[in-house]
Amino acid sequence: AQSVAQPEDQVNVAEGNPLTVKCTYSVSGNPYLFWYVQYPNRGLQFLLKYITGDNLVKGSYGFEAEFNKSQTSFHLKKPSALVSDSALYFCAVSPYGNKLVFGAGTILRVKS
Amino acid sequence: DTAVSQTPKYLVTQMGNDKSIKCEQNLGHDTMYWYKQDSKKFLKIMFSYNNKELIINETVPNRFSPKSPDKAHLNLHINSLELGDSAVYFCASSGVHYEQYFGPGTRLTVT
Repeated sequence: AQSVAQPEDQVNVAEGNPLTVKCTYSVSGNPYLFWYVQYPNRGLQFLLKYITGDNLVKGSYGFEAEFNKSQTSFHLKKPSALVSDSALYFCAVSPYGNKLVFGAGTILRVKS
Repeated sequence: DTAVSQTPKYLVTQMGNDKSIKCEQNLGHDTMYWYKQDSKKFLKIMFSYNNKELIINETVPNRFSPKSPDKAHLNLHINSLELGDSAVYFCASSGVHYEQYFGPGTRLTVT
């Protein structure tokens, strides 16, 4: 069965500092991996994906993620956090490129 | 232009009632989905349609019935609403590049 773990319920970071939101996955076969962000009372917004190719994927709003097959991880990163990055972040895996299996989500709080 | 839209945004109803949520996408995608987000923000897929054909039907009670009149629309009808159905329901669509685009959600409250 496919699963995604986001080990941190919340990540706190100071504005201007680098941020990392962790994600590990379990799936048979080659994973399609995604990061989404949800602002309060809003839908989910696509940030980035890994399907194949370079392990470092760049996405929207300056975010990037590194696919590590040996560690089955897909951590989300940003070199310099903004207060406006504060939101709920979801990692997801798609076993066959169709349905998304989501992690529990990580709240990111960026303080000025 | 809104890519994925849902109506209504809020839905408050009593137990036992029947209600529908509508979803439309103007992205030209072939695949559409319904997800449920519970009070703890956990997201789980319910259904998926590809070009009007049901391709994913998770373990969802029979009271939930999706209908896709064409590939741009996917509606969700819920019979005999229960308290536990209270949640936010998200519609999404995807194309050949796999990422899914989500609607704004419908917050259903059953009293």
